[in-house]
Amino acid sequence: QKEVEQDPGPLSVPEGAIVSLNCTYSNSAFQYFMWYRQYSRKGPELLMYTYSSGNKEDGRFTAQVDKSSKYISLFIRDSQPSDSATYLCAMRATGGADGLTFGKGTHLIIQP
Amino acid sequence: NAGVTQTPKFRILKIGQSMTLQCAQDMNHNYMYWYRQDPGMGLKLIYYSVGAGITDKGEVPNGYNVSRSTTEYFPLRLELAAPSQTSVYFCASSYSSGGGEKLFFGSGTQLSVL
Repeated sequence: QKEVEQDPGPLSVPEGAIVSLNCTYSNSAFQYFMWYRQYSRKGPELLMYTYSSGNKEDGRFTAQVDKSSKYISLFIRDSQPSDSATYLCAMRATGGADGLTFGKGTHLIIQP
Repeated sequence: NAGVTQTPKFRILKIGQSMTLQCAQDMNHNYMYWYRQDPGMGLKLIYYSVGAGITDKGEVPNGYNVSRSTTEYFPLRLELAAPSQTSVYFCASSYSSGGGEKLFFGSGTQLSVL
């Protein structure tokens, strides 16, 4: 069963705060975990990618995967107004062009 | 480098009308996809293609058709538009599908069926 749960928000935080975005999933076969960022009236763009469990850091962004809990997170440090967007988690099991499952997206607002 | 280009950006259709959403990519990607995004519902896969001449259904294919005669183009056809097809449509492409491949998305087509 392909199912990914993600709180749609909106999540509003002041500039400079640490933001935590999360997704839970039910399919234990998921191996690849991604975060896409989508600005208003634009297509999603890949922000972070993690394979299996563990952490990955890229600048102000950190992605965490806990496969035992079926829980993934995206942390944004020193949040900026330009980070205001919708963040979609996505995941897949193994190769196969149809296998990417998206969460519904969390709308994030960073207040200046 | 244009990436993935979608046309038109906006369109209003009457019930029963037909139209084709255009998608072109200039990255020589083999894999192409059509998604629809409804408010609060995330992205749902409509059709995908693994190369020229090869297409397959995704999660929500009813009411749509696709073709892939070349690597670059992947048009989506709506034959008899229904209000349930009101949505934002995104075309995407990727180099491979081996796991964590990066999908490149177009800017979307906002379609309203009235």
